[in-house]
Amino acid sequence: EIVLTQSPATLSLSPGERATLSCRASQSVSSYLAWYQQKPGQAPRLLIYDASNRATGIPARFSGSGSGTDFTLTISSLEPEDFAVYYCQQRSNWPDTFGQGTKLEIK
Amino acid sequence: EVQLVESGGGLVKPGGSLRLSCAASGFTFSSYSMNWVRQAPGKGLEWVSSISSSSSYIYYADSVKGRFTISRDNAKNSLYLQMNSLRAEDTAVYYCARDSPYDVWGQGTTVTVSS
Repeated sequence: EIVLTQSPATLSLSPGERATLSCRASQSVSSYLAWYQQKPGQAPRLLIYDASNRATGIPARFSGSGSGTDFTLTISSLEPEDFAVYYCQQRSNWPDTFGQGTKLEIK
Repeated sequence: EVQLVESGGGLVKPGGSLRLSCAASGFTFSSYSMNWVRQAPGKGLEWVSSISSSSSYIYYADSVKGRFTISRDNAKNSLYLQMNSLRAEDTAVYYCARDSPYDVWGQGTTVTVSS
């Protein structure tokens, strides 16, 4: 099973700042890496798929990069609604696995 | 509108059974693989099971293999999860999700296993 390790566990930033979230895989997942956003009491929402493709309706301030084992989700300028928990997920090898999440909180 | 709506959650005693349902609308259900993903209280996301569009391929997490059964009825646009021999550690919100990556999610249904 591929283990995904996200860092940092918690990221404290202010609106307008740039956020950089990391996801590292225990072995190569090629580009089969997705990012999800989850707000309290809500289901996760797909943000990025195949490492760098924005899902339908996702604002351009969200971008993804990386391949192999190291991936990054960048939010260029934080909006108040962006403060949430973010998960990465790989579908390269069965079973699909998720990272443990990064909580993005308001500083 | 593309939508998934789960139902069937509740409180059950250890060793008991529960059947979850997920009703799909707004898309051609029979064309997509479907999944169950769960989230224990205060924890992260855990993939539980997947089923291909025609039910030809079915997969389970090791943690539920032999106890849970995934199925679907394409004529009824519905996905199911039969959960038997439930344990306290199965307590979670259960989401159904379309395809992989999971591009559409339901709102979740809560399963609580407790005596």
